[in-house]
Parts: sequence; C-alpha cells; structure tokens
Amino acid sequence: DTAVSQTPKYLVTQMGNDKSIKCEQNLGHDTMYWYKQDSKKFLKIMFSYNNKELIINETVPNRFSPKSPDKAHLNLHINSLELGDSAVYFCASSTSPGELFFGEGSRLTVL
Amino acid sequence: GIQVEQSPPDLILQEGANSTLRCNFSDSVNNLQWFHQNPWGQLINLFYIPSGTKQNGRLSATTVATERYSLLYISSSQTTDSGVYFCAVESGRRALTFGSGTRLQVQP
Repeated sequence: DTAVSQTPKYLVTQMGNDKSIKCEQNLGHDTMYWYKQDSKKFLKIMFSYNNKELIINETVPNRFSPKSPDKAHLNLHINSLELGDSAVYFCASSTSPGELFFGEGSRLTVL
Repeated sequence: GIQVEQSPPDLILQEGANSTLRCNFSDSVNNLQWFHQNPWGQLINLFYIPSGTKQNGRLSATTVATERYSLLYISSSQTTDSGVYFCAVESGRRALTFGSGTRLQVQP
C-alpha cells in the first residue's frame, strides 16, 4: 500500500488552463503539506493543513487553492496556469512534529 | 525564517569511498530530517534526528543541536547512493525548511 499517493504523476497543459492534483495518505497523520520543487531542485513549502485547518500559507499566488475535505486528503487546484508554475509538486504528511513522508510527486509542465 | 546551509553542493566519489555531508542551521530546531532524492525523483526519509546519533546500515547521522549542525555519513558508497541529499529543519513553524541539497554522484 502506498503511504502517500498523489495523482496524476504527470500533467502537460497550456497556459491559462486550470488543473488539480489530488493527494491521499493512509498513515493516520494529522498534518499534510504541499511542497514545490523548482528546476534547481529547491524544495519550498506552499501550504500546510492540520486536521483540515490551514496553518501555513506561504507567499503563494491566490491562483493556487488547497482544499482538505478530511485529514487524509489534501488537494491542490491551480487556476490560470502560467509558464512559471512548471515544477514538481510534492504532497507530504506527518505527525506534528514528526517524520515527513512524501508522495511520488506530480510533474507539471505548462506550455 | 530559519536558514539551512548544506555542504558541499556537489560531490563525486568512487564506489567504496566514504563521505560526510554537513548541514548548518541558523536557529534552534525541534525537528531535523535527512532525505535522499534518487535519480527518479523519489524523496526518501533517511533519518529523523533533531539531536543525537543514529545509524541505519551504511548510513549514520549526528545532530549537535547546541552547535546548530548535523552530519550525514555515508560509508562504502555504492552507485545506488547517487542522488541529492537534503537536510530539512523545523523551528516551531510546523513545516520543514529545506537546504539546497548535496548532489552526490558515485562512480563505479
């Protein structure tokens, strides 16, 4: 069983489109995250949810909207995609504080 | 926010060699982890080590929290150790801040 799973693994889309990435964890963790990894491999926190409540919202454009329907799921919706949004998006989960476990990543390419 | 510096940025080893990767951080932490990102992009949790020393096979890690650094030791390196090693810390912010990584290449 995959502990943190995210779909899709690859997205290729045109500028201006809207896309969503879904994430689910079966570890029973209370905190979930979205991280963005750029082309230089730098990993940066975007959002963090604890028991469905938003606790971290970094300086991310409001075109990015996370949604947590329950503590096992954290989805990411992106409106009006731009070229600079191309990156790998990682979902992760943990207890708080505790070990962080990542999903396999979703590679977004905006053309 | 907290700063995390990793060194060296790049490292090339021959198979069988040993290496030490360093992580310096700018504030006290309640969480420190080491990760390995393999060539396929997967991020694997190596150690959860806010203080002390741990060992797992050929890998070991030591964190000296009072001096704000952590070390990752790789012994008898193998080609499968190649990839990027990240140190990440948390300082009461409830999310890990990552260093820029050490890119390791182990040559046969």
